Amino acid sequence: DQQVKQNSPSLSVQEGRISILNCDYTNSMFDYFLWYKKYPAEGPTFLISISSIKDKNEDGRFTVFLNKSAKHLSLHIVPSQPGDSAVYFCAASLSGNKLVFGAGTILRVKS
Amino acid sequence: NAGVTQTPKFQVLKTGQSMTLQCAQDMNHEYMSWYRQDPGMGLRLIHYSVGAGITDQGEVPNGYNVSRSTTEDFPLRLLSAAPSQTSVYFCASSYWTGDTGELFFGEGSRLTVL
Repeated sequence: DQQVKQNSPSLSVQEGRISILNCDYTNSMFDYFLWYKKYPAEGPTFLISISSIKDKNEDGRFTVFLNKSAKHLSLHIVPSQPGDSAVYFCAASLSGNKLVFGAGTILRVKS
Repeated sequence: NAGVTQTPKFQVLKTGQSMTLQCAQDMNHEYMSWYRQDPGMGLRLIHYSVGAGITDQGEVPNGYNVSRSTTEDFPLRLLSAAPSQTSVYFCASSYWTGDTGELFFGEGSRLTVL
């Protein structure tokens, strides 16, 4: 049973528009959430994170929103750029380190 | 600044063969882990270590062994390779301070078992 779900396998967005990637989780004990970005033939790289005590964290073009009551988080990328095209993984943690990952969403930003 | 280094990057094995995937980090992180990535499955935790001499199982540990004799190194051993172990393997090291932390991944090792 997947504890972290990314229900959209892929997303296509026009350059300059907003990309919204979604993630749902089932374990209410998760206390830390992260987003990773992965290009082909490379390891995942850290993008942004949020603690369960917050509902929003912003870093440049990237914002993560956390809705604990709905057990849902989302990553907003504004404006989207062609270089953002990659696989995005949502991950959740119980007291650090031991991360549970979603299956990933392929984002394609069209120029 | 090497970060997390994995070797080899590619490997082809025959069923029943054994091998070791090497992982080294130079960030002095206590925590290291191994994940495998399969299509539609995301990254699944195989084994992890919270420090030298301490290891534990993750979500999919069967068929794999690990050891952690030093802070820097965390090798993953396949005891008797099976086609189901064909995957891309990622080693990671991480820090955790209070309510913040981050995993740093290596570039991956692509393993094919025939």
